[in-house]
Amino acid sequence: TQLLEQSPQFLSIQEGENLTVYCNSSSVFSSLQWYRQEPGEGPVLLVTVVTGGEVKKLKRLTFQFGDARKDSSLHITAAQPGDTGLYLCAGNTGTASKLTFGTGTRLQVTL
Amino acid sequence: NAGVTQTPKFRVLKTGQSMTLLCAQDMNHEYMYWYRQDPGMGLRLIHYSVGEGTTAKGEVPDGYNVSRLKKQNFLLGLESAAPSQTSVYFCASRDATGIIFSGANVLTFGAGSRLTVL
Repeated sequence: TQLLEQSPQFLSIQEGENLTVYCNSSSVFSSLQWYRQEPGEGPVLLVTVVTGGEVKKLKRLTFQFGDARKDSSLHITAAQPGDTGLYLCAGNTGTASKLTFGTGTRLQVTL
Repeated sequence: NAGVTQTPKFRVLKTGQSMTLLCAQDMNHEYMYWYRQDPGMGLRLIHYSVGEGTTAKGEVPDGYNVSRLKKQNFLLGLESAAPSQTSVYFCASRDATGIIFSGANVLTFGAGSRLTVL
């Protein structure tokens, strides 16, 4: 059973469009991270959110942690081909040293 | 600045064969992890270690064994490979500072090992 469900699973958009990726769970997380993975490489951390309701911005990327710390979203403004990749959310319950990953959203941005 | 190195990068096995994946990190990290990645399922934790000589089971440990004899190395073994173990395997490590993952306490991943079991 996957604790973290991401939607959509696939997303193909044109350069300049906006998009939002969702990460949902029935569990409460003490912190949540977003990673991006490119083909042939391991995931690389984009951001960590730890406070319910927290919003973090990283250039054109905006990350939000839900008030109840059960969900998160990633919004990309004016997508570029360089944003193409697999986006993964990952949550930590705080009781162990484990990070649970979401199902992933594969984004393709075309010219 | 090697970070996390996985060997081999690619391997093809026949059903029933055994093999070991090696993960080596040069960052003096306490915690090490083995994940498998399958389409539509993200990353699933197989086993992890919170220090030299310790290991623990993750979400999908069946069919795998691990060892952490040296702090810098974390080995993942398949005693009798099955087609269901065809996957991309990722090793990761992190510093032991705090339980809660924070911006200063992140997982560093290797580049992955692609395993095919025929």
